Amino acid sequence: EVQLVQSGAQVKKPGESLRISCKGSGYTFSIYWIGWVRQMPGKGLEWMGIISPSDSETRYNPSFQGQVTISVDKSINTAYLQLTSLKASDTAMYYCVRRAYGDNPAVTFQYWGQGTPLIVSS
Amino acid sequence: SYVLTQPPSVSVPPGQTARITCGGNNIGGKTVHWYQQKPGQAPVVVVYDDTARPSGIPERFSGSNSGNTATLTISRVEAGDEADYYCQVWDGSSDLYVFGTGTKVTVL
Repeated sequence: EVQLVQSGAQVKKPGESLRISCKGSGYTFSIYWIGWVRQMPGKGLEWMGIISPSDSETRYNPSFQGQVTISVDKSINTAYLQLTSLKASDTAMYYCVRRAYGDNPAVTFQYWGQGTPLIVSS
Repeated sequence: SYVLTQPPSVSVPPGQTARITCGGNNIGGKTVHWYQQKPGQAPVVVVYDDTARPSGIPERFSGSNSGNTATLTISRVEAGDEADYYCQVWDGSSDLYVFGTGTKVTVL
């Protein structure tokens, strides 16, 4: 069974940094691109970026470029989303997602992590 | 950047048909996926590749895509279909993924 298990809820202060993890299991981790999606409270889904675990090739939504860093450690089947200089506006739920299959970028995000809630507050 | 526009809300009596539109420039030339999100839960794919349905998703859910509009149709709506629904595409010209604005479906 394919699973994406994310790290737990976080409460941070403005200016702090955070790294959220997403561990994949039940499949060959290096084959499938892993992406990240933000959902602010009461709002819609926003695609942040995506990474290929095989070679760490990364794409970012221009809206998030420079604000976040996506990385991967394929030796432990884990992808990461790093947020720095946190602001109250970073308060959101963050989901990792896995593409359905292979090299076709147009395929659906078939699998979703359970989400990591982040609260940024002084 | 590519924009996908959905109606904010759709209300439908139980047993009737809900149609959720997703508008985008020449969206018919792209591959559209639809996600259902219930409160407090992660989104779930209900239709992918314009018209396909994952295993476990009822046949009541169907999709179409042509011209500038993709549509998710929910037939014989049930109370359990109350959720937010999002369309999503990959925009090949920019190599970016885009989600629609989302539609809240209410069963009256």
